[in-house]
Amino acid sequence: KAGVTQTPRYLIKTRGQQVTLSCSPISGHRSVSWYQQTPGQGLQFLFEYFSETQRNKGNFPGRFSGRQFSNSRSEMNVSTLELGDSALYLCASSLAGSAGGQYFGPGTRLTVT
Amino acid sequence: DAKTTQPTSMDCAEGRAANLPCNHSTISGNEYVYWYRQIHSQGPQYIIHGLKNNETNEMASLIITEDRKSSTLILPHATLRDTAVYYCIVRVGGTDSWGKLQFGAGTQVVVTP
Repeated sequence: KAGVTQTPRYLIKTRGQQVTLSCSPISGHRSVSWYQQTPGQGLQFLFEYFSETQRNKGNFPGRFSGRQFSNSRSEMNVSTLELGDSALYLCASSLAGSAGGQYFGPGTRLTVT
Repeated sequence: DAKTTQPTSMDCAEGRAANLPCNHSTISGNEYVYWYRQIHSQGPQYIIHGLKNNETNEMASLIITEDRKSSTLILPHATLRDTAVYYCIVRVGGTDSWGKLQFGAGTQVVVTP
């Protein structure tokens, strides 16, 4: 089975722009979570989607949003980018109703200049 | 979800067993223990999980105490490639959504020749 894929892998944007990141979960996985990782704050939960519905949300401003499509693929969007949004954005998928693990993609490295 | 406590760092000699402790004294009866590791700038990698019985797979063994208040991840023969940050987390298993998780700072494991 193919793993979790994320596109693009690297991205450079300027302040004030917006960005959309994409995540394709492992086939059959319907739960998709997004995390932000920075050197200072570590791995922080952004939000989780299951069956196209946001199930959980972390403590991030409304500039961070996401959605999930009927095929379980997910996108996250950050509007009005700030320098502090520079981070590694990670997507993870898991099999619904299972106690099994959550599997992470390689991440998208976003740099805001 | 219960909080976990891990040592900040550990050193281990190559070829020796690495024993990584984790305290989760407030764990609930339906919460599983999961271990992940993250090699620098890569997505976290799922290692193993368990409820109350000891578990073993090709990567590691997980020992959970009888009262379930702590656990130990064992890497039987550490190699240089095992140098990573190791995270211990707990969550309710078998649910549709993964939940709003806090990964904590983890344990930085350095394997030396």
